[in-house]
Amino acid sequence: AQSVTQPDIHITVSEGASLELRCNYSYGATPYLFWYVQSPGQGLQLLLKYFSGDTLVQGIKGFEAEFKRSQSSFNLRKPSVHWSDAAEYFCAVGPLRNGNKLVFGAGTILRVKS
Amino acid sequence: DAGVTQSPTHLIKTRGQQVTLRCSPISGHKSVSWYQQVLGQGPQFIFQYYEKEERGRGNFPDRFSARQFPNYSSELNVNALLLGDSALYLCASSLTRTSYEQYFGPGTRLTVT
Repeated sequence: AQSVTQPDIHITVSEGASLELRCNYSYGATPYLFWYVQSPGQGLQLLLKYFSGDTLVQGIKGFEAEFKRSQSSFNLRKPSVHWSDAAEYFCAVGPLRNGNKLVFGAGTILRVKS
Repeated sequence: DAGVTQSPTHLIKTRGQQVTLRCSPISGHKSVSWYQQVLGQGPQFIFQYYEKEERGRGNFPDRFSARQFPNYSSELNVNALLLGDSALYLCASSLTRTSYEQYFGPGTRLTVT
């Protein structure tokens, strides 16, 4: 069965510092991988996705993620965090034939301190 | 263009009651998926509807049902509500059944007392 693990429930970083959010997945084949962000009272917004090809993918708002097959990981990074990045971040995996049926991790809450 | 819209925003129900949640997809999108997000957890897939037919179902009891209308809007129904059904219910739309570009609505916050 597919599963996604986000080991960090909460992360606090200083504004301007770099950020890395961890995501590990379990899947029988190369999955389609996603990062979403959810602000309070908002729905989910897609930050970036990986299907194939270059293992370093760029997303919106200056985020990037790297797919590492050997580690079954898809970590999200940002070089310099802004206060507006404070939100909850979800990693998700999608099956090859149905992109609508996503399996999400439990999320990581990012706090940004000034 | 309007995004995915959901109604109502919030509602409170009593155990044993029934509830209907509504979703309007982005214009031109034919696929609607429903997710349940319990506080402190990630969203969990409930249903996918495409062209008015159920195309996928998650691990939810038969108390949960849904349908899609000719205009591609959708309703999620939950019968015999339990306290554990309290959650944020998210609707997502996409162009086709296999599209990976899903757009989520703001959700409906259901509280069961």
